Amino acid sequence: DSGVTQTPKHLITATGQRVTLRCSPRSGDLSVYWYQQSLDQGLQFLIQYYNGEERAKGNILERFSAQQFPDLHSELNLSSLELGDSALYFCASSVVAGAAGELFFGEGSRLTVL
Amino acid sequence: SQQGEEDPQALSIQEGENATMNCSYKTSINNLQWYRQNSGRGLVHLILIRSNEREKHSGRLRVTLDTSKKSSSLLITASRAADTASYFCARDSGGGADGLTFGKGTHLIIQP
Repeated sequence: DSGVTQTPKHLITATGQRVTLRCSPRSGDLSVYWYQQSLDQGLQFLIQYYNGEERAKGNILERFSAQQFPDLHSELNLSSLELGDSALYFCASSVVAGAAGELFFGEGSRLTVL
Repeated sequence: SQQGEEDPQALSIQEGENATMNCSYKTSINNLQWYRQNSGRGLVHLILIRSNEREKHSGRLRVTLDTSKKSSSLLITASRAADTASYFCARDSGGGADGLTFGKGTHLIIQP
């Protein structure tokens, strides 16, 4: 158990819909990262927050947005969903701001868009 | 684009044999990390090697880093069925601009 909690574990929705994925980092970790894993693209870094502030942005689509709340949990919002958004979405946390140390991953949220 | 590329894409060996996976990257790094992922599960950190280190051990794991060749290898000795998983290298290029950049992984199957 990494200490990172992601909900929901599975989500099935239709194209055009909007979903919110939630992540609670390990106790004491200030950084939260979001990754998308698909068969064709592998693990893609989406976005990172550190202590409530956006710190780094990767291959995140404009239809996607995220935020980190004062209690340090984070949410990833995916809107106008397309079939290609079907993937496993991981949240990871770390103590430090950058990627200088290990990341602790949650078990992921599997999104299926029909 | 993917900056950490593992080789081979898949590897099947007998239990008890050693497994070697390689990782190549294109830009300079602060550190390189290896992670394991069991099917459909979250990634688990295995080992981190810094750019000024050449070799690191952790239990049955041995990681080497050659910054001149921009490559790293992960050796798992005396493999067990429980080692069956996908293994990813991830590079930290510093500055946190990309988070950790992962390769597409090596799928390792240990035959009992």
